Amino acid sequence: EPEVTQTPSHQVTQMGQEVILRCVPISNHLYFYWYRQILGQKVEFLVSFYNNEISEKSEIFDDQFSVERPDGSNFTLKIRSTKLEDSAMYFCASSLAASNEQFFGPGTRLTVL
Amino acid sequence: GESVGLHLPTLSVQEGDNSIINCAYSNSASDYFIWYKQESGKGPQFIIDIRSNMDKRQGQRVTVLLNKTVKHLSLQIAATQPGDSAVYFCAENGVDNYGQNFVFGPGTRLSVLP
Repeated sequence: EPEVTQTPSHQVTQMGQEVILRCVPISNHLYFYWYRQILGQKVEFLVSFYNNEISEKSEIFDDQFSVERPDGSNFTLKIRSTKLEDSAMYFCASSLAASNEQFFGPGTRLTVL
Repeated sequence: GESVGLHLPTLSVQEGDNSIINCAYSNSASDYFIWYKQESGKGPQFIIDIRSNMDKRQGQRVTVLLNKTVKHLSLQIAATQPGDSAVYFCAENGVDNYGQNFVFGPGTRLSVLP
């Protein structure tokens, strides 16, 4: 069964450093998403991506964040200068259509020290 | 603003009993709802969905009920098993945001007692 994969599973970084979280969505999906979940809290939408551009983003997704689909399979989330409050689980998801089931990856745990 | 919330933050049930997890949503324009299950250390996993033109949808051991009048969503799990222990999130996909993101509720932790 096809699945969304994410790497690394855990990333530890120093405050102010740049991090890139990587995702491989399901191959025939067209819509890609990043969500985050701070420990013990609910899942929060960050950004959606379609046709090689951002289609929607939340207020969390400020200028420190960027997304890219560098090739036909990867989808990345970059945080330019990490802050302590960026520590969270980051989930990538993909879907075949816009208003359709989103399949989530296992997440990357980001710890900012 | 729009929000999705849950009535019960924790629910404990005996193995074999039925479980009912509730969710209230505030955006009357939402037209698509999903229940996700999240086990410890894993990403949300799709359980069942329902569109606003339906009141009820059944899957294997799960049923989702949608009451648009009171903006209420519920997930029923029949014959609850230990493997059902997890946090359950409802999520709504509002029409006014082109359906490209989901607003998640805070979650309900389901504990299945032996």
